[in-house]
Formats: sequence, C-alpha cells, structure tokens
Amino acid sequence: GENVEQHPSTLSVQEGDSAVIKCTYSDSASNYFPWYKQELGKRPQLIIDIRSNVGEKKDQRIAVTLNKTAKHFSLHITETQPEDSAVYFCAPPGAGKSTFGDGTTLTVKP
Amino acid sequence: EAGVVQSPRYKIIEKKQPVAFWCNPISGHNTLYWYRQNLGQGPELLIRYENEEAVDDSQLPKDRFSAERLKGVDSTLKIQPAELGDSAVYLCASSSRVQAFFGQGTRLTVV
Repeated sequence: GENVEQHPSTLSVQEGDSAVIKCTYSDSASNYFPWYKQELGKRPQLIIDIRSNVGEKKDQRIAVTLNKTAKHFSLHITETQPEDSAVYFCAPPGAGKSTFGDGTTLTVKP
Repeated sequence: EAGVVQSPRYKIIEKKQPVAFWCNPISGHNTLYWYRQNLGQGPELLIRYENEEAVDDSQLPKDRFSAERLKGVDSTLKIQPAELGDSAVYLCASSSRVQAFFGQGTRLTVV
C-alpha cells in the first residue's frame, strides 16, 4: 500500500508569516495530490489539489507544489492568519484509494 | 447540493453492545468510503465501495465490523460487539472522481 509521511507534525508560526508542510509518498502511480484542512471537531475539507501533469497550483494565499521525481508535494500558506490554525492532511491516492498522512497541526499565533 | 449526511452524530454505548452508522452520499457519487479517525491521527480507510461492490476492505476488522451498500446509494457500517478501542470518529466520504467529500462523522464512545 501507499506509504505517506508528513513533515513537520506540528508547526507554529506568527501571524503574517509563511508556513510550508511537506508530504512524501511511495506509490509512483499516484496522479492526484490533495490537501485537506480539518478544524477541531469538524470534518476534513479539501483546500487545494494538484494533478500530476502540473508542477504548481495557487489559490490566493495557498499553493501546492509537486515534485514527482522525488515523490513529494508541499502545501504553502502565505500571510498566515489565526483562522488558518487547524490540522492539515495530505492524501495521495494509491491503487484508487486515499491514504492520509498523520497530519500537521498548524498554530498561527496572533 | 446536499453534502454527505451521516447519522447519528454521537453515540455512546457499553462494550459488547452492537452499533450501526448510516451514510447518505452525495447524489451521483459512485464511490463511497468509510474511515475511522482516532484522536490526533489521520483518517484510516476501512472500506471503499464502487457502487454496491466493496472493492477494498482490507483494513476492515471483519470479525466484528461489517458494512453494506445496498442499491449502491446509502451505506451502513456495523460493529458487533463493540470494544473500548473502537471509540473514534467514523467518517463517511463520497466521490465521483478523485475529490472526496466528507460527512460530519459519528463520534462513537464505548464505555
């Protein structure tokens, strides 16, 4: 099955700073790379995704970059705000299923 | 468009009792997933359906867990008998292609 690792497991930044979370995966057949945000007590929600034919995608303050050769993709959040505080999961699909990383707890200090 | 609906939202049962969770996916979504999420961890896939067929149930503890998706729409997940270690949030998700949409989850507490 797919092996997925996220780093770091926790990240604390000051409001306005940038945050970067990295996800490594093992299945070279993966071609869809999503990032989910889960606030405390709520469901995971997709915030951005990228397909294997694209190296980078940006949506306002968030962006995802993909390095298929190295088998990793990263979430970038710029100008962080307190409401960005949550747990972020990557979930590259392997063999048609989503394997979630263990998550990165992001804390944005005002 | 209605999202993925799960019920109940919360359930407290004594160990050795049975429990069932229900999921209604987004209309038209052929793929349905059941995940279990323990505190501080990512969702763990239990079973995936393509229409009414279970195509991946390798992570489902089959001695006590069962699931069904009759008619390829709604799905139920059952635990019988429940154990203390089954306490978790059970999430249902559905997708039409690769993007998964999650329900609110059922928080199960086994005492």
